[in-house]
Amino acid sequence: GAGVSQTPSNKVTEKGKYVELRCDPISGHTALYWYRQSLGQGPEFLIYFQGTGAADDSGLPNDRFFAVRPEGSVSTLKIQRTERGDSAVYLCASSLTPGLEGYTFGSGTRLTVV
Amino acid sequence: DQQVKQNSPSLSVQEGRISILNCDYTNSMFDYFLWYKKYPAEGPTFLISISSIKDKNEDGRFTVFLNKSAKHLSLHIVPSQPGDSAVYFCAASAKGYGQNFVFGPGTRLSVLP
Repeated sequence: GAGVSQTPSNKVTEKGKYVELRCDPISGHTALYWYRQSLGQGPEFLIYFQGTGAADDSGLPNDRFFAVRPEGSVSTLKIQRTERGDSAVYLCASSLTPGLEGYTFGSGTRLTVV
Repeated sequence: DQQVKQNSPSLSVQEGRISILNCDYTNSMFDYFLWYKKYPAEGPTFLISISSIKDKNEDGRFTVFLNKSAKHLSLHIVPSQPGDSAVYFCAASAKGYGQNFVFGPGTRLSVLP
């Protein structure tokens, strides 16, 4: 596709459940970011992939959060034992080369934990 | 502790006038700054950037000014248009911080026709 695709666009889940959020980057883009945006805040860095490997996962808040990119294209952000505080918009971005200037963001997945 | 601050949550400007959005940062290691624009239900889109070796960068109607001693940057939009109405985020990074960009909380700009 022409842009970064994120699915689902909205997800409502019960506290304690497991969720997966998917990101389809622009074809050929090797760099991929996940960010999280809570209400009234700016995007907050979670993890950065260069190819298949997580080059920087320092933003993942705790071990309930995990992300993979097994073939260097599609990435999945996985959240175990969801908590109400996990409610946010999860944004994915991709680029040919590292550097946020050239990044294209998807429109995000709005996660609501009830 | 916010490293990037945008102290005005909202700003209203008349069409055709100048919009000035401000951003302050606390980390003196930051050396690269970007502005992003975000419409509702869309992802942020890159607007303009500036490196710490410069104090000004211009792109059409958009100019970013950087004052390193004050740890302050501003985005000027001249002339403002109704289509500029959006949330504007300031973001910063530093060598050695990898790809961890720090965003401010955003300023909602409304350009009134």
